[in-house]
Amino acid sequence: EADIYQTPRYLVIGTGKKITLECSQTMGHDKMYWYQQDPGMELHLIHYSYGVNSTEKGDLSSESTVSRIRTEHFPLTLESARPSHTSQYLCASSGRVNSPLHFGNGTRLTVT
Amino acid sequence: GNSVTQMEGPVTLSEEAFLTINCTYTATGYPSLFWYVQYPGEGLQLLLKATKADDKGSNKGFEATYRKETTSFHLEKGSVQVSDSAVYFCALRGGGADGLTFGKGTHLIIQP
Repeated sequence: EADIYQTPRYLVIGTGKKITLECSQTMGHDKMYWYQQDPGMELHLIHYSYGVNSTEKGDLSSESTVSRIRTEHFPLTLESARPSHTSQYLCASSGRVNSPLHFGNGTRLTVT
Repeated sequence: GNSVTQMEGPVTLSEEAFLTINCTYTATGYPSLFWYVQYPGEGLQLLLKATKADDKGSNKGFEATYRKETTSFHLEKGSVQVSDSAVYFCALRGGGADGLTFGKGTHLIIQP
């Protein structure tokens, strides 16, 4: 069973607030990912990391930023939330090349 | 680039019916292929995987065979249950890109 944790599970905030979505894994995986899932279910890669101090932008442009100071921790930050950021955010990690990604339970963000 | 195409839903079946969800892909090289399942309010769980041509992945009565000649990885189950109701995602990893490339998801509804 994969050990990857996301907090909070649900978040409702007002426009303009700064938020950080937390993601931690205990498997020692070097690679970590953030996906955004729209209401139509489609998944889009927005950020990934190959290891400490490595961050890359994914296929979908996002106003969020990420950091990777520790192997186990990959937080995502929105400096000024907007209603267009309302979505589900899924964090994942993986070990070897071509191995499966292990996902957390997600954070469902609503910006009012 | 990589792409995954899966049949659109919702797919509605009666309990004990036979299930097929079609999935085809485009990728360079030899990607690994996966099926993930997402239950309401949860993250993605790995259902099964196949890493090379003619491999058959199986789990919980679900099966899929990696067909390189038809670039397909169709999901099948002989007798579905109400508890199988969920969203199913076909995905690939490899082919020169990192992370997973997902299909758009198929919402499966099983009626008693």
